[in-house]
Amino acid sequence: VQVVESGGGLVQPGGSLRLSCTVSGFTFSNFEMNWVRQAPGKGLKTGLEWLSRISTTGNNIYYADSVRGRFTVSRDNAKNSLYLVMNNLRVDDTAMYYCARDHSSGSFDDWGQGTLVTVSS
Amino acid sequence: DIQMTQSPSSLSASVGDRVTISCRASQSVGSYLNWYQQKPGKAPKLLIYGALRLQPGVPSRFSGRGSGTDFTLTISTLEPEDFATYYCQQSETTPRTFGQGTKVEIE
Repeated sequence: VQVVESGGGLVQPGGSLRLSCTVSGFTFSNFEMNWVRQAPGKGLKTGLEWLSRISTTGNNIYYADSVRGRFTVSRDNAKNSLYLVMNNLRVDDTAMYYCARDHSSGSFDDWGQGTLVTVSS
Repeated sequence: DIQMTQSPSSLSASVGDRVTISCRASQSVGSYLNWYQQKPGKAPKLLIYGALRLQPGVPSRFSGRGSGTDFTLTISTLEPEDFATYYCQQSETTPRTFGQGTKVEIE
């Protein structure tokens, strides 16, 4: 199993960015997928924050309150790819963004290495 | 949203020690409780799912217990590679919330 995120970078507040997650080694269309982020640095705010989950067909998508209305998740099963479009980015969206496969138990059993998003002027 | 609270936030231990980390949910999550290990600069790694089921490939010194609102992760004999941050996560409801983490440091 391989999960690889890409698309991170430096963006100004209010800007947009599109992250991609490409997988191999398993049948992508059989698994729900998630986005999780982790703020950099030290202290209590560096924990893991679940952002979104998308069903196998893409017909059902769930978002955390913190990103609903600004972030949009989609998938292309033919390309074994998951996407996260982030609009109206804020400084506190700065984080490492991970793509994670959903296990039947609801746990996340395979993760990518992450892609870093920095929102700064 | 279900709040997950871990204790302690950090602990110091020595190789060979027995370590127990607690996780409490603000409401029942049944057995939908998972544990992850994260090392600096790396993605989290699933250790235990369903409160007590060991993910394939995870050493048997890791074990999980609990149901409802109170859970524990135990490392029976701490090895050098176990120094890391551990997170619990509930998967009973969406959003799938995480605890704040417990950092296991070398004493």
